[in-house]
Amino acid sequence: EVQLVESGGGLVKPGGSLRLSCAASGFTFSSYSMNWVRQAPGKGLEWVSSISSSNSYIYYGDSVKGRFTISRDNAKNSLYLQMNSLRVEDTAVYYCARDGRSSSEFDYWGQGTLVTVSS
Amino acid sequence: DIQMTQSPSSVSASGGDRVTITCRASQGISSWLAWYQQKPGKAPKLLIYAASSLQSGVPSRFSGSGSGTDFTLTISSLQPEDFATYYCQQANSFPLTFGGGTKVEIK
Repeated sequence: EVQLVESGGGLVKPGGSLRLSCAASGFTFSSYSMNWVRQAPGKGLEWVSSISSSNSYIYYGDSVKGRFTISRDNAKNSLYLQMNSLRVEDTAVYYCARDGRSSSEFDYWGQGTLVTVSS
Repeated sequence: DIQMTQSPSSVSASGGDRVTITCRASQGISSWLAWYQQKPGKAPKLLIYAASSLQSGVPSRFSGSGSGTDFTLTISSLQPEDFATYYCQQANSFPLTFGGGTKVEIK
């Protein structure tokens, strides 16, 4: 059974940093591109970042470019998101999601971890 | 960036109704479109990928169609568990983008 479990969310002050983790199991992690998607309270879905299976490509949304860094450790079956210079508008539930078989759709999602940026 | 526009933003329907949601891309995306269902407090669930392919385990009352810029998600006979918010997403190019969502509510 595919499982994605996020951790690392919490309350942080504006300008602060946080590192999210996503532990993957039930599939060959090193064979799949992975993604972070977020959802602000009461709002829609926003793609944040993607990383290919072997780190050959990495992409970021404009709203996080230069502040967030995606990475992965295939030996540990883990995905990460280092978030620096956090802003109030980064407050959201952050989901880890696996790329699907067709293209960059997301076939499995974690339960999400809440990041709250507030003074 | 490719903008995704969903309509309607909400729809009220009764059990057994046929419900259609549309999604329009600001430029052609071939068939690189996915549909998701999200219930309150839960992660989204993939329903349809490549515009019309049904994800494993998803009931056949869900179907998708379209290509290029115009796409449709149809629920042929609405069931109680289908009341949720639905999102489209283009998978053609980065940055990946979602539609604004369509909330399917009980009439």
